[in-house]
Amino acid sequence: DVQMTQSPSTLSASVGDRVTITCRASQSINNLLAWYQQKIGEAPKLLINKVSALESGVPSRFSGSGSGTDFTLTISSLQPDDFATYYCQQYNTFSRTFGQGTNVEV
Amino acid sequence: QLQLQESGPGLVKPSETLSLTCTVSGGSISSGSHYWGWVRQSPGRGLEWIGSIYYTGITFRNPSLQGRVTLSVDTAKNQVSLKLSSVTAADTAVYYCARHIAGGGTGPLNYWGRGTLVTVSS
Repeated sequence: DVQMTQSPSTLSASVGDRVTITCRASQSINNLLAWYQQKIGEAPKLLINKVSALESGVPSRFSGSGSGTDFTLTISSLQPDDFATYYCQQYNTFSRTFGQGTNVEV
Repeated sequence: QLQLQESGPGLVKPSETLSLTCTVSGGSISSGSHYWGWVRQSPGRGLEWIGSIYYTGITFRNPSLQGRVTLSVDTAKNQVSLKLSSVTAADTAVYYCARHIAGGGTGPLNYWGRGTLVTVSS
C-alpha cells in the first residue's frame, strides 16, 4: 500500500508569506498526485491535479511541482482565505491514499 | 449548479450494515463523463477513499475495505448508494459523496457533498 507523508504537520505563517508543503510517496506514483484544501466544517476542495494542473477558479498563487516520489504545494503569497488544512492524494494505486494533512495556521 | 447530498442513519450498531445514499442534483449521473465516489474522514484514519461507481455499475473499491463495501447506482433517481457491512467503532467517520473529474476515471474528486457523520455505537 502506498503511504503518503506530508510535512510539516502544522505550519505557522503570516499573510504575505511564501508557504511550501511537501508530500512524499512511499513508492513511485507516476505523477498521479492531487492537492486539496479543507476548511473546518467543509468538504475538501480540489486545488491541483496531476502534480501541477490548477483547477478552474483556483488562484494562481497556488502551484504544484515535483516528480517521482517527492511533491510540493506552494502558496506564493499567503492570503487570509488560505488558512486551512491541505492534503495530497495519490491516484496511481487503488488505495487512492491521502496524506495526513498540513494545517496552515496564523 | 451540481449538488450532492448524503443521507442515511447517523447511528449504526456494531456488526450491522451502514447504508448511505447520495442524491445528485443539477446534473445527471448518467451523463457518462464521471465516476461517483465515497470518501470518509475520521480523526484516527484521516481521509480514506472507499470506492467509486460508474453509472453502468462498474465499481472500484479500496482494497482495504473491499470485502465489506457494496456500491450501487439508481439512474432513475439520480442516486448512488454505499453499504458497509460488519461495522465497528473504527468505521465512525464523516462520509462524503463526491464526483471524480471528467475523463479522469477514479482520480481526483472535484465536487463534494457536505458530508454526513455516522457513529457506530451500541
